[in-house]
Amino acid sequence: TQLLEQSPQFLSIQEGENLTVYCNSSSVFSSLQWYRQEPGEGPVLLVTVVTGGEVKKLKRLTFQFGDARKDSSLHITAAQPGDTGLYLCAGGSDSSYKLIFGSGTRLLVRP
Amino acid sequence: DTGVSQDPRHKITKRGQNVTFRCDPISEHNRLYWYRQTLGQGPEFLTYFQNEAQLEKSRLLSDRFSAERPKGSFSTLEIQRTEQGDSAMYLCASIRLINGYTFGSGTRLTVV
Repeated sequence: TQLLEQSPQFLSIQEGENLTVYCNSSSVFSSLQWYRQEPGEGPVLLVTVVTGGEVKKLKRLTFQFGDARKDSSLHITAAQPGDTGLYLCAGGSDSSYKLIFGSGTRLLVRP
Repeated sequence: DTGVSQDPRHKITKRGQNVTFRCDPISEHNRLYWYRQTLGQGPEFLTYFQNEAQLEKSRLLSDRFSAERPKGSFSTLEIQRTEQGDSAMYLCASIRLINGYTFGSGTRLTVV
C-alpha cells in the first residue's frame, strides 16, 4: 500500500518567518502534486513535479521533488497571513492518475 | 472555464436514508474522480470515470455506494442506507491532462 506522510501536522508561525513542509514515502511516484485547501472548499492545485530532483518556484513558494521520486518538500519564504491553510501533497503512480494524498499540514500564519 | 460544480454543498440526513450528490466537471475534461475526505485527513480515492466508463473503484466503495456518469458528462454518487461513518466531505475532480486536478468545492455530508 502506498502511503505519503506529511510533517509537521500543524505549524503556527509569525508573519515573515520561513517554513518547510515535508512529504515522504517509501514508494516511488511518477508525479507529485501540492495542493492548498481552505476550510469548506476543495483543494486547489499549486504545482506538479514529475522529474527527480526537480525544483519549481512559485513566487515565495519553492517545491522540490526528491532525486528518487519518493519525497518532496514545500518551502515558504516570508510567510504571510494569506498563506494560512491546509497544505496537501499527493502522489500519482499509474495511468489512472488517481492520487494518494498525505494527511496534510495545517499552517497558521499569525499577523 | 466555469470550474467543477458540486451540488448540494451541504447535506444533513438521518441514518438509513439514501442520498445522491451531483458533480458537473469542466466540459472538455474526460476524466472524473470522486474522493472522500474526513476531518483531519487528506482525500481518499473512491472511483473514477473516463467518459461514461467507470474504470476503477476503491475498496472504500462498499455495495451501498454507486456512481454513474451517463453520457460522459455530469456524474452522480449515491449512498444507500447511510451510516454515521459516511459523514465526510465528498469531493469531485476532473482532469484533461496529467498535470493536476480541478476539484469542486465538495459536498459535506452529515449523517445524524
